[in-house]
Amino acid sequence: DTAVSQTPKYLVTQMGNDKSIKCEQNLGHDTMYWYKQDSKKFLKIMFSYNNKELIINETVPNRFSPKSPDKAHLNLHINSLELGDSAVYFCASSQGDRAKVFFGSGTQLSVL
Amino acid sequence: GESVGLHLPTLSVQEGDNSIINCAYSNSASDYFIWYKQESGKGPQFIIDIRSNMDKRQGQRVTVLLNKTVKHLSLQIAATQPGDSAVYFCAENIIQGGKLIFGQGTELSVKP
Repeated sequence: DTAVSQTPKYLVTQMGNDKSIKCEQNLGHDTMYWYKQDSKKFLKIMFSYNNKELIINETVPNRFSPKSPDKAHLNLHINSLELGDSAVYFCASSQGDRAKVFFGSGTQLSVL
Repeated sequence: GESVGLHLPTLSVQEGDNSIINCAYSNSASDYFIWYKQESGKGPQFIIDIRSNMDKRQGQRVTVLLNKTVKHLSLQIAATQPGDSAVYFCAENIIQGGKLIFGQGTELSVKP
């Protein structure tokens, strides 16, 4: 009964490939996010969606395309992967944008 | 610009001692602050939050202090235990945009 679950946990791929990370939350929250954590543990927001609508896009390259089929899901598709995309990606959710944010366990992406 | 910083990147304490982790924030528009704990291989886990209309909030073995005058936030952990070893992040939520801005993180090590 994981609150925010994302798959896969590990993703190893070659440069230039396209990959997706899936996220689902069973908390009934209306806002979902993608965060990126670099090798120095710095966490930065990439996107936020509220009720399937894009709210925040933090100047992320358009190779990254989030998709929210419903408010419980927010998937992240990445085209033409680059070495610099290697990081841990966290999905998160909250009830509104002024409330505590719950995080998934992360997807470690390694681009070779 | 927007930034949340921590004074110490690492902190080592003896088991049973109290720990204090500090955080400086720069955005006067922030009105909600959260402390997260991140264990190795896991996502950030909510510890405690505080809104800007409060100076202090206590949880189980943890206390958060907010000094808006000097834009400083601290997390106090009482009777630190080995299970408290993790990276701790402060995060601020600015009024406009509703996004969490994370600090660098402090790695807490508890010596037995």
